[in-house]
Amino acid sequence: DAKTTQPPSMDCAEGRAANLPCNHSTISGNEYVYWYRQIHSQGPQYIIHGLKNNETNEMASLIITEDRKSSTLILPHATLRDTAVYYCIVRVEGSSNTGKLIFGQGTTLQVKP
Amino acid sequence: EAQVTQNPRYLITVTGKKLTVTCSQNMNHEYMSWYRQDPGLGLRQIYYSMNVEVTDKGDVPEGYKVSRKEKRNFPLILESPSPNQTSLYFCASSSWTGNYNEQFFGPGTRLTVL
Repeated sequence: DAKTTQPPSMDCAEGRAANLPCNHSTISGNEYVYWYRQIHSQGPQYIIHGLKNNETNEMASLIITEDRKSSTLILPHATLRDTAVYYCIVRVEGSSNTGKLIFGQGTTLQVKP
Repeated sequence: EAQVTQNPRYLITVTGKKLTVTCSQNMNHEYMSWYRQDPGLGLRQIYYSMNVEVTDKGDVPEGYKVSRKEKRNFPLILESPSPNQTSLYFCASSSWTGNYNEQFFGPGTRLTVL
């Protein structure tokens, strides 16, 4: 699975959009980009995933560059409850995959009042 | 409510005293997995199970055992716990349809081995 690089920490004002970048320059054509977050030692929570196209759900949007070497997770209106560690994970899907998620160090997002 | 439950949530024990951490999911998921989380090392997979009676080692299986006799349960067994197994443990599950789109994690079990 491709390695990802994320900034260790970011701040965001409450109510503003939080844009969390992730670099995955060695991503392969069949690797998906996943985002999970972990709020203060709770179990990680799935946010969103995508392959090539931009994706949006009720929690966030995922913007993947055309060359797929980087992506951005967007929380459109960050709240204090969004303060968490955000993990960008790149992995292959398919029958040969074990389902293992490789968590890096992630980005600690601090949402401030 | 769809969820993964773990018990106990907190446990303090002594070296060598066998213990079991239970994990149960109510979503009829085929895939289940155990992770441990340690400061500076992130989450690392211990064992996983693709379905009933099918288990395999993850990255850090030493000192652990698992079983999958029923689809909903995936207990983690420490036959002879040691202090280096002090950690935060998470169980996860997902549906296996060729993809693992969304994995659901339990609330965690904080284990201290003295």
